[in-house]
Amino acid sequence: EVQLLESGGGLVQPGGSLRLSCAASGFTFSSYAMSWVRQAPGKGLEWVSVISGSGGSTSYADSVEGRFTISRDNSKNTLYLQMNSLRAEDTALYYCAKDQLTSTTRSYFDVWGRGTLVTVSS
Amino acid sequence: EIVLTQSPATLSLSPGERATLSCRASQSVISNLAWYQQKPGQAPRLLIYDASNRATGIPARFSGSGSGTDFTLTISSLEPEDFAVYYCQQRNIWPLTFGGGTKVEIK
Repeated sequence: EVQLLESGGGLVQPGGSLRLSCAASGFTFSSYAMSWVRQAPGKGLEWVSVISGSGGSTSYADSVEGRFTISRDNSKNTLYLQMNSLRAEDTALYYCAKDQLTSTTRSYFDVWGRGTLVTVSS
Repeated sequence: EIVLTQSPATLSLSPGERATLSCRASQSVISNLAWYQQKPGQAPRLLIYDASNRATGIPARFSGSGSGTDFTLTISSLEPEDFAVYYCQQRNIWPLTFGGGTKVEIK
């Protein structure tokens, strides 16, 4: 069974840092790009970042560019999101999502985790 | 950035009725558009990709159409489990963007 399990969320003060993890299983992790998508409480979905299967290519939403860093460890089947200089508006449920396509990082998302909640507040 | 505008914001229907949801893009996304379903407390689920292709395991009552800037998700006959929020998403141009969602609620 294909599964994604996020962890690492929590309460952090504005300006603080947090590192999210996503453990993948049930598919060839290194063959697929992976993304982070977030959802603020009661709001819609916002794509945050994507990393290619090899880890050699990344893209970010303007709202997080320069503050967040996506990475992956294919030997551990794990995706990461390092979040620095956190702001109140970063408060959201962060989902890890598997890209549907193998040929591009501009894709849809066919497998999602259950999310990990990040709350930025003093 | 491509803005996706979904309408209506809320659709109140009864089980068995037909649901028609709209997604309009601020510029052409060709056919690079997907639809997702999200139920309370759950992650989104991919329903339709490339405007009209059903994802694995999605019932035939869900169908997608459109190209360019105007897209439609149709649920031919609503089942009780279909009452949820639906989002469209484009992959044509960076950044990837989602619409604001349409809530399909029980009338």
